[in-house]
Formats: sequence, structure tokens, C-alpha cells
Amino acid sequence: GENVEQHPSTLSVQEGDSAVIKCTYSDSASNYFPWYKQELGKRPQLIIDIRSNVGEKKDQRIAVTLNKTAKHFSLHITETQPEDSAVYFCAASGSYQLTFGKGTKLSVIP
Amino acid sequence: NAGVTQTPKFRVLKTGQSMTLLCAQDMNHEYMYWYRQDPGMGLRLIHYSVGEGTTAKGEVPDGYNVSRLKKQNFLLGLESAAPSQTSVYFCASSSRASGVYNEQFFGPGTRLTVL
Repeated sequence: GENVEQHPSTLSVQEGDSAVIKCTYSDSASNYFPWYKQELGKRPQLIIDIRSNVGEKKDQRIAVTLNKTAKHFSLHITETQPEDSAVYFCAASGSYQLTFGKGTKLSVIP
Repeated sequence: NAGVTQTPKFRVLKTGQSMTLLCAQDMNHEYMYWYRQDPGMGLRLIHYSVGEGTTAKGEVPDGYNVSRLKKQNFLLGLESAAPSQTSVYFCASSSRASGVYNEQFFGPGTRLTVL
């Protein structure tokens, strides 16, 4: 089955700096790569996703890149703000199942 | 639309007790999932269902059973709870129409403690 590795497990950045979270996957058949944000005590919520037929997608301060050859994808957050502090999960899917990474706890220091 | 709801929000059990967690969705989604979330382990799939009357095992199914008698509901059962089942349980659903681009919508979670 699919295996998703996510790094780093924790990340601290100064407010205004950029944050990058990286994931690798094992199944070359995977073609959908969502990112979820989970605030403390809340449910995971989709913030951005990318499909295998594109290499990059942006939504305001958030961007995701995908390298299918290398089987890795990354989340980039620019101009970080305190409200970006949360746990971020990457996931990969080739069907109706998602396989999640173990998460990255992002702390934005004011 | 309430989206995905879960009942109860919190529960404390003693070892050996049984309970059922209820997930309901009002989005007419075909697919439903149960995950458990433990510190540092991410979200791990317990069981899932691709339609009414069908269920299948996920990554960590042992000690759990599920049923999907109605399209909108997905029940997770613990027949004899163990301390290792202390966790936060999330239900999720997604639409078959989205195909492999499987955006899953999550419920608010159930925090279960087994003493």
C-alpha cells in the first residue's frame, strides 16, 4: 500500500518568514495530494490540494508543488502569521482512500 | 447543512466495556471513513465504506467493528474496550463524484479514554 513520509515533525518560524513542509510518497499510481490544517482541538480541514497533472498550485499565501518523478510534494506558506500555527498533514491518494503523513506542528512566533 | 457530525464528543470507558460511536453526514456522500488520531501518528484508517451495506478494513481494524445500514450513517463499535484504544476518533465522508480527487470532509471528533 501507499506510504507517506512527512518532514519536519515540528517547525518554528518567525512571523513574516516562510515555512516549507515536505512529503514523499511510495505509490506511483497516486494522483491526488491534499493538505489539511488542524488547529488544536479541532477537525482537520482541507487548505489546498494538487492533482498529478499540475506541478504547482497557489492560493494567496499558500502554494503546493509536486514532483511526480521524484514522488515528493511540498507545502509553502509565505508571510506567516500567528494564526498559521497548527498541525499540517499531507496525504496521497490513487483511489477513494487517503494515506496521511504523520503531521508537522508549525509554530509561528510573533 | 450540518456536514459531518459525531456522537458523542467525549466518552470515558472502563476496560472491557463496549460502546458505539455514531457518524452522520447530510451531504449524500457515498464514501465514509473512520480514523483514529494518536499523538505523533497522524490519522490512521480503521474501517471505511464505499456505499450502504458495504464495509472494508483499513490500516488498523483490530478491536473495531462497523456498520453502514443507512447511507447517511456510519457506526463504529468497540466490543471490549482496551486502554490502547484511547484516542481521538474522526469520521469523514467524500463523494464518489469526485472520483480519485477524494476531498474528505471531517467530523468534529470523539475523544475516547479507556481506563
